[in-house]
Amino acid sequence: EPEVTQTPSHQVTQMGQEVILRCVPISNHLYFYWYRQILGQKVEFLVSFYNNEISEKSEIFDDQFSVERPDGSNFTLKIRSTKLEDSAMYFCASNQRRIEAFFGQGTRLTVV
Amino acid sequence: GQSLEQPSEVTAVEGAIVQINCTYQTSGFYGLSWYQQHDGGAPTFLSYNALDGLEETGRFSSFLSRSDSYGYLLLQELQMKDSASYFCAAFIKAAGNKLTFGGGTRVLVKP
Repeated sequence: EPEVTQTPSHQVTQMGQEVILRCVPISNHLYFYWYRQILGQKVEFLVSFYNNEISEKSEIFDDQFSVERPDGSNFTLKIRSTKLEDSAMYFCASNQRRIEAFFGQGTRLTVV
Repeated sequence: GQSLEQPSEVTAVEGAIVQINCTYQTSGFYGLSWYQQHDGGAPTFLSYNALDGLEETGRFSSFLSRSDSYGYLLLQELQMKDSASYFCAAFIKAAGNKLTFGGGTRVLVKP
């Protein structure tokens, strides 16, 4: 069964450093997303991506964040100058229809 | 604004029935979905209501009433493995293709 894969599963970084979270969405999907979940809280939308451009972004997704689809399979989230409050689980998701989104297993980012 | 509201927590015993309500305020959406998330895991899709009424998928059923801006997820014959967080979610029309989640309901199943 096709699945969304994310790497790494856990990333520890020092405050102020840049991190790149990687995702491989399901191959025939058209819409891609990044979500964030701080421990014990709800899943928060960061950004959606369609047709090689951002289609929607939240107020969380400021200049510190960027996304890229560098080739036909990868979808990355870059966080520049990380802060302690960026520590969270980051989920990548993709979908083909507006019915269900398929989520990766997440990358746990810990900023120290 | 666009928001989906759910109770924060529900506790029930094995074999019981639990109903998780979701009320929403949005300018329009394609349908209401439900996701299950176990601790440390990813959200996984459970069900979707495009139209008003009840959708049944095994022990889980979901209901939507657009006129009441309300939906629910019904968990029947509760099992210990059903202990998880459950989120209602909707693709918001005005926001391109953005899947918005409710705050989640933590269901704790006791023996």
